Amino acid sequence: NAGVTQTPKFHILKTGQSMTLQCAQDMNHGYMSWYRQDPGMGLRLIYYSAAAGTTDKEVPNGYNVSRLNTEDFPLRLVSAAPSQTSVYLCASSPPPWGKITYEQYFGPGTRLTVT
Amino acid sequence: AQKITQTQPGMFVQEKEAVTLDCTYDTSDQSYGLFWYKQPSSGEMIFLIYQGSYDEQNATEGRYSLNFQKARKSANLVISASQLGDSAMYFCAMTGRGGKLIFGQGTELSVKP
Repeated sequence: NAGVTQTPKFHILKTGQSMTLQCAQDMNHGYMSWYRQDPGMGLRLIYYSAAAGTTDKEVPNGYNVSRLNTEDFPLRLVSAAPSQTSVYLCASSPPPWGKITYEQYFGPGTRLTVT
Repeated sequence: AQKITQTQPGMFVQEKEAVTLDCTYDTSDQSYGLFWYKQPSSGEMIFLIYQGSYDEQNATEGRYSLNFQKARKSANLVISASQLGDSAMYFCAMTGRGGKLIFGQGTELSVKP
């Protein structure tokens, strides 16, 4: 199993440009999430999907996602702004079973700089 | 709203000593999960330990234990016999509604030789 994979690892984007960060998992997990990580801020949830075909937005505009199948959860920056400079982490997990919640498996991250 | 608070931005511990990293949480849910993750300088997120809200016993995983005090809404991580490789950022997190994971701000632990 490759686990959770993210591409690219690094990218520099100009203000106003758009790009898609790729995330894929091969563990057949229903839950997938995108976080951004900034120094001193911990991880902030951006988007969340409980299953293919469903998504839930956690933050204001600037991002978009799709969940067409179980494996892939791409994150699109519509018109990049310097405030979106961050490390983006994708994660997946099985759904809860009874009272048990499972840990999330994280990808290696994408470090994005918007100039 | 659910919230996780880690009040220690940075901590130092001597090698081979024990250290406690603090975490408090706020939720109105009866069922929730609490997690600790480690993030070394390489950036990967490593799952350490999990505690369910209905678990009566504190979770333990090797040198890691979670001191769960439900009435005080605290879920402190205890690392026994610290090693140099324990130097990293540590994040406390809890599951919100629908399985969403909410993170604290993190504590940077430095282990001194």
